[in-house]
Amino acid sequence: SQQGEEDPQALSIQEGENATMNCSYKTSINNLQWYRQNSGRGLVHLILIRSNEREKHSGRLRVTLDTSKKSSSLLITASRAADTASYFCATQDGSSNTGKLIFGQGTTLQVKP
Amino acid sequence: DAGVIQSPRHEVTEMGQEVTLRCKPISGHDYLFWYRQTMMRGLELLIYFNNNVPIDDSGMPEDRFSAKMPNASFSTLKIQPSEPRDSAVYFCASTLGRNTEAFFGQGTRLTVV
Repeated sequence: SQQGEEDPQALSIQEGENATMNCSYKTSINNLQWYRQNSGRGLVHLILIRSNEREKHSGRLRVTLDTSKKSSSLLITASRAADTASYFCATQDGSSNTGKLIFGQGTTLQVKP
Repeated sequence: DAGVIQSPRHEVTEMGQEVTLRCKPISGHDYLFWYRQTMMRGLELLIYFNNNVPIDDSGMPEDRFSAKMPNASFSTLKIQPSEPRDSAVYFCASTLGRNTEAFFGQGTRLTVV
């Protein structure tokens, strides 16, 4: 069963604009992760944020986590056509701490050149 | 390391046939996950292992599905008998430790006709 719900389901922007994707989850987490999937390929890990962290950066990526609202956002700044892909959030359970990794439905991002 | 290796990349089989998907995790990784991805249901966790022991198989859809991990470097997911609704992309992923980033294989695209 999916833990995370993401919105929007699809996002279309122009190159150079920023893209923001949101993820909500239901249960206590140890960490939240974001992945990228290009069409026909496997998922690639982008960034991991732990439950005691509020913000994390990696290059043009900025992730925030609000555990009180059980939500996270992924911001891609100065987007490029090569950023076109599907983006997924995933959570690892914090209460049982068994390492179970559950994915959301994903956001499909299209960046127009 | 070559990453997580899945085989075959594509599989077309007739309804009722047995299908076996294979996965070789990254050497030294102690967690292995099997996922199924479809447009309708997204990325579903089927089963995961820690040190070759199944931890949670609650995502396995039916008794027709079974998974094994006979050693640290090999896992199989078997469907017997296969049905058209099993058509999907099946991913294997591995992690080093709990609560860390997952590395995905390229997936096996299964078509049951």
